[in-house]
Amino acid sequence: ILNVEQSPQSLHVQEGDSTNFTCSFPSSNFYALHWYRWETAKSPEALFVMTLNGDEKKKGRISATLNTKEGYSYLYIKGSQPEDSATYLCAPRNSNSGYALNFGKGTSLLVTP
Amino acid sequence: DADVTQTPRNRITKTGKRIMLECSQTKGHDRMYWYRQDPGLGLQLIYYSFDVKDINKGEISDGYSVSRQAQAKFSLSLESAIPNQTALYFCATSDRGGAEAFFGQGTRLTVV
Repeated sequence: ILNVEQSPQSLHVQEGDSTNFTCSFPSSNFYALHWYRWETAKSPEALFVMTLNGDEKKKGRISATLNTKEGYSYLYIKGSQPEDSATYLCAPRNSNSGYALNFGKGTSLLVTP
Repeated sequence: DADVTQTPRNRITKTGKRIMLECSQTKGHDRMYWYRQDPGLGLQLIYYSFDVKDINKGEISDGYSVSRQAQAKFSLSLESAIPNQTALYFCATSDRGGAEAFFGQGTRLTVV
């Protein structure tokens, strides 16, 4: 089972603020890193999958970076909007865990107008 | 129709009862997962399967069992339900490359 740490646990920002979260994971035997967005009363939805050190992905105002050598990924949200309020989950995969998706506890983001 | 369907969506059962949660998918994916969600704990992996009859334990498999008799179906059983198994349960699927997982709508289970 992978040790996955996400920080902060929760975050409350004002509309228009930019913010970022961190996902830390074991760097050994790395295979892929997934980010998911999970709105209350809905199912988690995939945001990004990254596999290479230095990967950067972007979807609208949300972007992510990956450092496989030191075992971390950052998720950035530029100009947060109330509809960005959700829990953001990361899930690294490596050969030690059979390539299964092991999720961190998530960062809960609340954006108020 | 949803690509990943969980049944039932809500269930209340008594301590000691056997209960089965069903998951079916129309995406043709090889890999299927069962997770439970408790407040503040994110998604914890219970069991996963990479192919028919392939079963692997996740981080919290005690008290649960699964069956994968067909590619499209992955069922989760609680042989003797206990109150601390009260949680929201999610099924998910992904293809062989594992690029993205698709989740069902969740089953809210309450054990009284």
